[in-house]
Formats: sequence, structure tokens, C-alpha cells
Amino acid sequence: EDQVTQSPEALRLQEGESSSLNCSYTVSGLRGLFWYRQDPGKGPEFLFTLYSAGEEKEKERLKATLTKKESFLHITAPKPEDSATYLCAVPEGNNRLAFGKGNQVVVIP
Amino acid sequence: ETGVTQSPTHLIKTRGQQVTLRCSSQSGHNTVSWYQQALGQGPQFIFQYYREEENGRGNFPPRFSGLQFPNYSSELNVNALELDDSALYLCASSLGLDNSPLHFGNGTRLTVT
Repeated sequence: EDQVTQSPEALRLQEGESSSLNCSYTVSGLRGLFWYRQDPGKGPEFLFTLYSAGEEKEKERLKATLTKKESFLHITAPKPEDSATYLCAVPEGNNRLAFGKGNQVVVIP
Repeated sequence: ETGVTQSPTHLIKTRGQQVTLRCSSQSGHNTVSWYQQALGQGPQFIFQYYREEENGRGNFPPRFSGLQFPNYSSELNVNALELDDSALYLCASSLGLDNSPLHFGNGTRLTVT
């Protein structure tokens, strides 16, 4: 059973067109939710950790929020350099993460 | 601060062969985890090493094995390669076992023909 489901799988945005990515999870007793960014041919790069419902974190044009069942990654006025795959993950043990399949974002100039 | 480095970056092997992938953890990190990422998929947990001992294993067969050395670097060995083993193999290091963020290397792209 999938613990993490991300939608949409792929998204094409015009530069400046804000949007949101969704990550829903089914684990009980959440011990954190992680967002990573992955560029083609590279390893995932850590963005945020969220621990409790209502928590928000921001980094440049990205803002991550968390509810009891899902997390959103909001991209405000994206630029082409925001093009990447965004991965969501939850812990399923000591430091092992269960990842979703990712949201592939392409920002068109 | 030196990040996680992996070698080689690319590798082509034939079905049935054996392969060893290497990882140097980020300075100060004592935990290393290995993940397999198939094309278009999220990373899948293979196993984790903490202070040279295996500390958890995902749903991978015994032909996937590993080591962690006293300097916390690590190896992933895969025997009897199968076509489905073709993937990006990612190493991640972290400090301790408290769900601190994982720091990934750029991976080894393994192609099995």
C-alpha cells in the first residue's frame, strides 16, 4: 500500500504562473514530512521538513504547508530555474524514507 | 564541508555480473543509506548502515549487500545482476538515527544489458 501519493505527476507552468503540488500520506503517527528537489541526473536536494499540522516553511519562491493528511508545496511566480522533480517523503523507520513518485515541474519562459 | 560523493557516476554491466558501488559520506555523518531509483519513480530504500552495522533493510533480495567502513564510507554490492537492476543508485548520509534530513549524492547510473 502506497504511503505517499503525489499529484499532479507532471505540470507545465508559464513563468510567473503560481501553482501548488500535493502530497498525501497514509502513515499514522507522522514523524515528519520531507520535501526534496531533484534535477535530472542528480541526487535529491533537501528542501524542508514539516512536523505538525499547520506548520509552514518557506524558501525563496517555495512554501510548504502541512495538514493531518497532506502537504502542499506552493510555487509562487516560478522561474525556469524552478524546473525540477519535487519529491515528498515520510519516515517509515529510523531514517528510512518512503518517497512518492514525484511532481515533475517544467517552467516555460 | 564535503558533501556525499559516489563513484562511479555511470556503469554498464552484463546480466549475471557483479558490481560494487562506492559512497563517501558527508563529513561528520555516521549513518549511510542506499536507495534505488528506477526511471520515473521515487527512490526505494535498500538498506542503512549505522556505525558499521546494518540497521534496517528494505524489500530487496540478499544479492544486494553492503558494508560500512570505520571512516563511515560505504559500499553497495549487487551479485547476479538482472535487467531490472538498471537504475540510479543513490547514497545518502545523515547524523544519527533521529530522522534528520538525508543528504544525497548524485548517484551511480547502472545499466544492465
